[in-house]
Amino acid sequence: DQQVKQNSPSLSVQEGRISILNCDYTNSMFDYFLWYKKYPAEGPTFLISISSIKDKNEDGRFTVFLNKSAKHLSLHIVPSQPGDSAVYFCAASEVGGSARQLTFGSGTQLTVLP
Amino acid sequence: DVKVTQSSRYLVKRTGEKVFLECVQDMDHENMFWYRQDPGLGLRLIYFSYDVKMKEKGDIPEGYSVSREKKERFSLILESASTNQTSMYLCASERGGYNEQFFGPGTRLTVL
Repeated sequence: DQQVKQNSPSLSVQEGRISILNCDYTNSMFDYFLWYKKYPAEGPTFLISISSIKDKNEDGRFTVFLNKSAKHLSLHIVPSQPGDSAVYFCAASEVGGSARQLTFGSGTQLTVLP
Repeated sequence: DVKVTQSSRYLVKRTGEKVFLECVQDMDHENMFWYRQDPGLGLRLIYFSYDVKMKEKGDIPEGYSVSREKKERFSLILESASTNQTSMYLCASERGGYNEQFFGPGTRLTVL
């Protein structure tokens, strides 16, 4: 049973337009959410995060929105660039335990067309 | 810059072999993790460690074990490799109390 779901395996967007990647979760105990970007033959790299006490976090072209009541978060990339083409993973963690474990979604392949 | 290195980028082993995957981080991070990445399943946590000689099972520990004898090094062991362990293996490290994990480049393991 996947606790973090990315229902769109792929997304294509024109350069300069907005990319919106979506993520849904089921575990109410998740209190911290992250987005990672992964290029082929490389490990994932951290992109942006948001705590459950916020509903928006912005970093340059990247903005993450959190809707706790809907258990939904989204990543907006504006404007999209060809170099943004990668697999994007949503991840979530909950308080407690000896170390924070991340639960990842299955990923969305973003392709930005020039 | 945090650096997480993994001993091999590509590895081919035979069924029944014992396999060691090594991971080293250079930032004195307390926590280290092993994941496998499979198409359509994302990253799944195998084991993690929050201190030297300490380990905890993740979501899919069956068929794997780990070792952390030194803070900077975390090893994943496949006692008897099987074909369903063919996958991309990713190691990560994290400073305790923070939430950002730093990943290595991954090891693509093929078990024949």
